[in-house]
Amino acid sequence: QSVLTQPPSVSAAPGQKVTISCSGSSSNIGNNYVSWYQQLPGTAPKLLIYDNDKRLSGIPDRFSGSKSGTSATLGITGLQTGDEADYYCGTWDSSLSAGVFGGGTRLTVL
Amino acid sequence: VQVQESGPGLVKPSETLSLTCTVSGYSISSGYYWGWIRQSPGKGLEWIGSIYHSGSTYYNPSLRSRVSVSVDTSKNQFSLKLSSVTAADTAVYYCARSPKGGYVIPFDPWGQGTLVTVSS
Repeated sequence: QSVLTQPPSVSAAPGQKVTISCSGSSSNIGNNYVSWYQQLPGTAPKLLIYDNDKRLSGIPDRFSGSKSGTSATLGITGLQTGDEADYYCGTWDSSLSAGVFGGGTRLTVL
Repeated sequence: VQVQESGPGLVKPSETLSLTCTVSGYSISSGYYWGWIRQSPGKGLEWIGSIYHSGSTYYNPSLRSRVSVSVDTSKNQFSLKLSSVTAADTAVYYCARSPKGGYVIPFDPWGQGTLVTVSS
């Protein structure tokens, strides 16, 4: 099991909004920056959000990130079929001195 | 910046897995952490380890006894060695850079990944 906890799947209709949660502890999310990655089928992961809420250059503002305490959230508005992918959160764990990821969330755009 | 993994796609059980990541568009010796991440078939991402341009390293505690990451600034490459492999090490292996100075994570860009199968 992963150090960070994500829901296995979420779904929503095109044009709607969805949020994906990432839960951790004080040794990871609580005291370190969170990043979010999108992995389209058959491709390598791609960085979307870093430092909790900063979009990488070129990432649409439909994608947003936030953090509160030991949890982080990725939001996607105006859902498109092209957003169907696996989404992962990641951060540093100060107790483990290791990079850690969530188990991933599969987004289905119905 | 681009990164590209290379190495054998098939490794025998108990042997050592060796992969190289070639960096283009940026000099490794200029800075940043460079890392390895893997993804077992149908599973999530697992961080393996990262190395700074100076050679300092961090490793996943669950793999520390078997893993080594090194850097060759003359070739602008960094490498992964994972010893005593088993079928559980079968995965797509990615190399990536952390674009934030002094930080191991986040990761950007990523290589396309290379599938390594452990089988006799």
